[in-house]
This record gives sequence, structure tokens and C-alpha cells, in this order.
Amino acid sequence: GAVVSQHPSWVICKSGTSVKIECRSLDFQATTMFWYRQFPKQSLMLMATSNEGSKATYEQGVEKDKFLINHASLTLSTLTVTSAHPEDSSFYICSAYRGGFGEQYFGPGTRLTVT
Amino acid sequence: AQRVTQPEKLLSVFKGAPVELKCNYSYSGSPELFWYVQYSRQRLQLLLRHISRESIKGFTADLNKGETSFHLKKPFAQEEDSAMYYCALSPPGSSNTGKLIFGQGTTLQVKP
Repeated sequence: GAVVSQHPSWVICKSGTSVKIECRSLDFQATTMFWYRQFPKQSLMLMATSNEGSKATYEQGVEKDKFLINHASLTLSTLTVTSAHPEDSSFYICSAYRGGFGEQYFGPGTRLTVT
Repeated sequence: AQRVTQPEKLLSVFKGAPVELKCNYSYSGSPELFWYVQYSRQRLQLLLRHISRESIKGFTADLNKGETSFHLKKPFAQEEDSAMYYCALSPPGSSNTGKLIFGQGTTLQVKP
């Protein structure tokens, strides 16, 4: 159990367009989900904490208007990269927190390439 | 500021050799510490956490509050241990949200 999926697994978009990435907890409910950004051979940078039914909490330096997060249900959080630029190209990873187990479960990641 | 430091980007050892992946943290309270592992082309997964005091896949980690360290150790490395290892910290008060702060990661390469 405790599987987290992400869709799409990879996406290529043109500069100036918006892209939506979905994160789903398949077999448990997650009141809290997290979005990370990972650069090649580097660490995970926490972008924001997504709370079901309320606004996301963004980390310092992350533009909330550029990276829109919606946590509409206990099993789904979405990250929308608005007006994408080539520098937004990265690997985006989500995780879902399973409170009773005190553990985060990670999705497989989404590779975004902005041309 | 909360920070997790993994000083080595790459650690290369031969099969059967002991392994120690270093992790130091800076936080004034009593955080919870974790080690996560990412095998090639796989998602990040929990390896162990300090409160459970488990040994997973032969790995152990002891929290040293005096030295603010949480080094990961294994007496005899196996080739299948080759992966990226991340040390992570959950600040006090994050128990209800699970927020994690990750170190830079260390690539462990176990040579035959």
C-alpha cells in the first residue's frame, strides 16, 4: 500500500504556456502533500506544502503566482506551472504524508522540459 | 536556520568494505531524522528513521545530539546498495504535517 502517482511522467511545452501536474495518493488519504523540485544530481528543494481545503504554504523564494497549487481532495494535489520558461525545466516530485504512519510517500516524478 | 549537510557528493567503495555516509544537521530543538534512498530510475523511499532504531538492509544510523550528526553505516557494502542517499530532518512541530528538509545527497557507488 501507500502508493503515490504522478501524471504526466514527462511533458514538453513551449515557452509561455501553462502545464499542470497531478499528484494522487492511490490507497490512502493525505491531508498534506508536498511539491519538490530536483535538479540533476542535486537535492530535493521543497517548493510548497499543499493542504487539503486550504491555501498552499510556499517556501521562501518560490513564486506562488507562477507555481499554482491546488489540493482539491484528500487524494489529489495539482501543480500548475504558469507562463513556463526554459529555466522552469526540471524534475518535479510530489509526496503525500500519511499521518498515522508519520511518513511521506513519494511519487515517481515528472520531467518538465520547456522549449 | 534549519539545515542538513551531507559533505560528500560521491562515496565510492569496494564490495565488502564498510560504508559510512555522513550527515550533520543544524537545529536547536529535537528534530526527527531520516535517511531516504533513491535507486536508479526509482522513486525516493524511506530507508530508516532514528526513532524506530531499526536496521534496514544492514544499514544503521545513530543520532548523536552532541555532534548533531546522523551518519549512516553498513559494515559490508553490497553492489545493490549503489544509490543516492539523502539525509532529511523533520523540524519539531512538523509531526502533524511531515515536512522534511533534505540534505544535498550522497551517491554511493559500490564497485565489484
